[in-house]
Amino acid sequence: GNSVTQMEGPVTLSEEAFLTINCTYTATGYPSLFWYVQYPGEGLQLLLKATKADDKGSNKGFEATYRKETTSFHLEKGSVQVSDSAVYFCALSLSNTGNQFYFGTGTSLTVIP
Amino acid sequence: DSGVTQTPKHLITATGQRVTLRCSPRSGDLSVYWYQQSLDQGLQFLIQYYNGEERATGNILERFSAQQFPDLHSELNLSSLELGDSALYFCASSVQGYNSPLHFGNGTRLTVT
Repeated sequence: GNSVTQMEGPVTLSEEAFLTINCTYTATGYPSLFWYVQYPGEGLQLLLKATKADDKGSNKGFEATYRKETTSFHLEKGSVQVSDSAVYFCALSLSNTGNQFYFGTGTSLTVIP
Repeated sequence: DSGVTQTPKHLITATGQRVTLRCSPRSGDLSVYWYQQSLDQGLQFLIQYYNGEERATGNILERFSAQQFPDLHSELNLSSLELGDSALYFCASSVQGYNSPLHFGNGTRLTVT
């Protein structure tokens, strides 16, 4: 089946620390991969995406590389800020399923000054 | 602003009642998705519509129903409400096509007392 597994939280980091949130997937086909971010009291916002193997998505200092060989799409940021505190969701979509989306369970990040 | 509008923002009702949640997708988006987010279950896919037709269903209860109207707005109807239905309900829309991301509204917070 199709699914996304991401590292469990919560994750607590000091400001300016390096962030990695692991995400792996299983898919019956060639998925597009996404990272979404949810700030308190808001809906999910698209953070970045990658549509084929070896693509790197990037936005606001966050990066993730589509690794087909390891079926992974890990999220990284070199220096986190307090404003990055949020819940991060990894997701995949498949065109052969009518553009259905599969989300991970979310990873809560708290950045302390 | 994602361009997806959900109303109402908050809803408090009693067990056994029926409520309707409304969603207006981004201009030009033909697909509408409904998700339920609760603390213990994470983000659960309920149902997807494309241009007025049901495209896919997820973990949607029989007490729940939805529809997408000719003007593309969508409504999610929840009936015979139970305490466990208390959650955030998100609507998302997308251009139906490979690689298209979802754009989420800010959700309706339903509290069943």
